[in-house]
Amino acid sequence: GENVEQHPSTLSVQEGDSAVIKCTYSDSASNYFPWYKQELGKGPQLIIDIRSNVGEKKDQRIAVTLNKTAKHFSLHITETQPEDSAVYFCAADTDKLIFGTGTRLQVFP
Amino acid sequence: SAVISQKPSRDICQRGTSLTIQCQVDSQVTMMFWYRQQPGQSLTLIATANQGSEATYESGFVIDKFPISRPNLTFSTLTVSNMSPEDSSIYLCSVQGKREQYFGPGTRLTVT
Repeated sequence: GENVEQHPSTLSVQEGDSAVIKCTYSDSASNYFPWYKQELGKGPQLIIDIRSNVGEKKDQRIAVTLNKTAKHFSLHITETQPEDSAVYFCAADTDKLIFGTGTRLQVFP
Repeated sequence: SAVISQKPSRDICQRGTSLTIQCQVDSQVTMMFWYRQQPGQSLTLIATANQGSEATYESGFVIDKFPISRPNLTFSTLTVSNMSPEDSSIYLCSVQGKREQYFGPGTRLTVT
């Protein structure tokens, strides 16, 4: 079955810097790759997603890139703000979502 | 988008007892999912619940321990039976929208 690895497990950045989180997946049949943000005490919220027929997608300060050949995808957050502090999960989907292990992002003012 | 509510939001239960978690969606959805998130961990799919059919359980999860009901297109329940401290987790309801999967706020369960 699908296996998703996520790195780093924790990431600390200064406000205004960029943050990058990377994921790799094992099943080449996976065709949908969402990223979720989970704040303390809340359920995960979708922040951006990408499908396998696209290499990059951007939404304001957030971008996702996908390399199907290498089976990895990355989340890029630019101009980070303290409110970006949360746990971020990547996921890969064939017939169900398989989640990565999560990255705790801390943005210091 | 779909708005999902869960009850209770949190509970503390004694070992050996059972707890039923309710999930209500503000629109009709075909596919609903139940996840477990152990403290500081990722999300693990327990089962998929489609209205009108038996729930489909993932490896490591069984119906006797986690019975699920799906009486209509907006509601589902998950029961955690004969609880032990190892069942202490956040339990999340999720639904498949047209394009993305939405998650409820979760039920934080502590078993003592």
